[in-house]
Amino acid sequence: GDSVTQMEGPVTLSEEAFLTINCTYTATGYPSLFWYVQYPGEGLQLLLKATKADDKGSNKGFEATYRKETTSFHLEKGSVQVSDSAVYFCALSFQGAQKLVFGQGTRLTINP
Amino acid sequence: DTAVSQTPKYLVTQMGNDKSIKCEQNLGHDTMYWYKQDSKKFLKIMFSYNNKELIINETVPNRFSPKSPDKAHLNLHINSLELGDSAVYFCASSQQTTGANEKLFFGSGTQLSVL
Repeated sequence: GDSVTQMEGPVTLSEEAFLTINCTYTATGYPSLFWYVQYPGEGLQLLLKATKADDKGSNKGFEATYRKETTSFHLEKGSVQVSDSAVYFCALSFQGAQKLVFGQGTRLTINP
Repeated sequence: DTAVSQTPKYLVTQMGNDKSIKCEQNLGHDTMYWYKQDSKKFLKIMFSYNNKELIINETVPNRFSPKSPDKAHLNLHINSLELGDSAVYFCASSQQTTGANEKLFFGSGTQLSVL
C-alpha cells in the first residue's frame, strides 16, 4: 500500500542552522505531497504542499520540491529559529482517496 | 474562535470503561475525521464522515463507534477500553473529502491514558 517514510528523529540544531528533514514515499501513481507541522500542545497545521512533479511548496521560509525520480519531498529551511521547534509530518494523498497517509513524524528541537 | 475543538483534552480512565470524545468544527466543512497518534508519533486515520455519512473505516475494532449527529460534529465513543487504546486522538475536518488539494484542519488532540 501507499506509505511515507521520514528520517528518524529527534533532530536537534542550533539557531540559524540549515535544516533538512528527509521524506520519501511509496505509491502507485503520482500523489499530492504535504508537510504538516505540530507545535507543542496543538493539532497539526498544513505547512506546504505540492501537487505534481517538480512543484516546489514553500511557506514561512520552508521549502520542499516534489521529486518524482527519487520519490522524495525533503523539507528544507536555510536558517531555523527556536520557534520552529515542533514535530513535522510528511504526508501524501490521491484525488478521491479520501484520506491522508502520514509519515511517522520527526521531532525538531532548535536551541538558542 | 477555535476552528476544530475537541474535548476533553486529557482523559485518564481504567481498563474496561466506556468513554467518549467530542469534536466540533465551525468551519462549515462537509467532512470530518478521526486520527490516532500512537506513542511513536505514527498518525493513522480511523474514520471519516462526509455530511454525516461514514466514508472510511480503517479496520478499527468494533469497540470504537463514531457518531455524527450533524455535519459539524463527529464524536468518538469507545467501549471496553484496553491498554492499547492509550494514544492521542485527533479530530480533523476538510471542505470536501481529502483529495489532491484538500487541506485538513486539526483539533489540538485528546490524550487518552488507559490504566
